[in-house]
Amino acid sequence: SAVISQKPSRDICQRGTSLTIQCQVDSQVTMMFWYRQQPGQSLTLIATANQGSEATYESGFVIDKFPISRPNLTFSTLTVSNMSPEDSSIYLCSVWVGGKAFFGQGTRLTVV
Amino acid sequence: QQQVKQSPQSLIVQKGGISIINCAYENTAFDYFPWYQQFPGKGPALLIAIRPDVSEKKEGRFTISFNKSAKQFSLHIMDSQPGDSATYFCAAQDVDYKLSFGAGTTVTVRA
Repeated sequence: SAVISQKPSRDICQRGTSLTIQCQVDSQVTMMFWYRQQPGQSLTLIATANQGSEATYESGFVIDKFPISRPNLTFSTLTVSNMSPEDSSIYLCSVWVGGKAFFGQGTRLTVV
Repeated sequence: QQQVKQSPQSLIVQKGGISIINCAYENTAFDYFPWYQQFPGKGPALLIAIRPDVSEKKEGRFTISFNKSAKQFSLHIMDSQPGDSATYFCAAQDVDYKLSFGAGTTVTVRA
């Protein structure tokens, strides 16, 4: 398995500002993903963040809004830029270890 | 469009009863089907998973039934306990290891 730590666990932000979410894994992993879970909804994939390559974004998500860094095999950041209330969600990082996908506890973001 | 359809949206079961959640998919390229359990304020936790070459997998009180020809799979929770009250998500993984999730089922187990 994998232990995934996300920071911050929650935040309340003003509209128009940006927040950077950190994801730290206790082992080296190649494949890392960022998901969004809107209130009371399911999980939607934002992007794939594999080390050594540019992040690839799913339809409806763009790099200018959700820039991602993946500097090494244990760490990644997701920035939510120029936030609006519609960005209020839980943001989760996920990694594949041993043929299974594991998730962090998530970052609960509220934009006011 | 949602690639994995999940039902019911919610269910209530008595303690000791059986909870059944159903999922269906269209993309035949999916080759791994996990179920996640999520409690309020927590991230999804992997519960049990199956690959399409197996028709059934059981781990403790949790069983996945998989019907490849019908492109359907289901989760059975036997002897449901109040601690099982949570939201359950089915998912399907494609060749790029991306997961598509169902809409989720909120299970309430009454004591």
